[in-house]
Amino acid sequence: GQQLNQSPQSMFIQEGEDVSMNCTSSSIFNTWLWYKQDPGEGPVLLIALYKAGELTSNGRLTAQFGITRKDSFLNISASIPSDVGIYFCAGPEGSQGNLIFGKGTKLSVKP
Amino acid sequence: DAMVIQNPRYQVTQFGKPVTLSCSQTLNHNVMYWYQQKSSQAPKLLFHYYDKDFNNEADTPDNFQSRRPNTSFCFLDIRSPGLGDAAMYLCATSRSRASNSPLHFGNGTRLTVT
Repeated sequence: GQQLNQSPQSMFIQEGEDVSMNCTSSSIFNTWLWYKQDPGEGPVLLIALYKAGELTSNGRLTAQFGITRKDSFLNISASIPSDVGIYFCAGPEGSQGNLIFGKGTKLSVKP
Repeated sequence: DAMVIQNPRYQVTQFGKPVTLSCSQTLNHNVMYWYQQKSSQAPKLLFHYYDKDFNNEADTPDNFQSRRPNTSFCFLDIRSPGLGDAAMYLCATSRSRASNSPLHFGNGTRLTVT
């Protein structure tokens, strides 16, 4: 099946720094989704991308749907302590469109 | 207000003792999913219901079953939990299976097997 390769695995940054993470696939996706998961909670949808080349913002978060449809990136500007968590990219796979996830990027923010 | 509600938040069961996890939704979504998430891993789809139509993933063990008695509720039954089944179980819903219909997750049930 399709796989999503997410990098980096983890990041340790200082409060106020910008963050960038990305997700790649060997096959084409029609949708890219970015979720954030806090410890002990379920994933929460941050941004949904539906069109190649699309650039979408949600507050300090910006995500882009790569033009090749095989990648996406998520940027966080001016990070704050509550940005701590695991960020997952996800996309629908196969004829039924079941969502598959990347392995996540664990973000730690030092105040 | 929470729209996908999972109960309980924490469940402890004994090895081999059947356990049921529940999920309810107020979104009136057609599709309900169950994911298993082990520590430091991505969520993995076990199965989903599209309305009343049950769709099992090929690699989901027979030990895992599901029921959806109505639109709002869906249950995950683990017939004989093993130590390897300890995980966070996430329920999610979506309006349809179309790629532009994102999933909405509950807060999960963390299962411990002793």
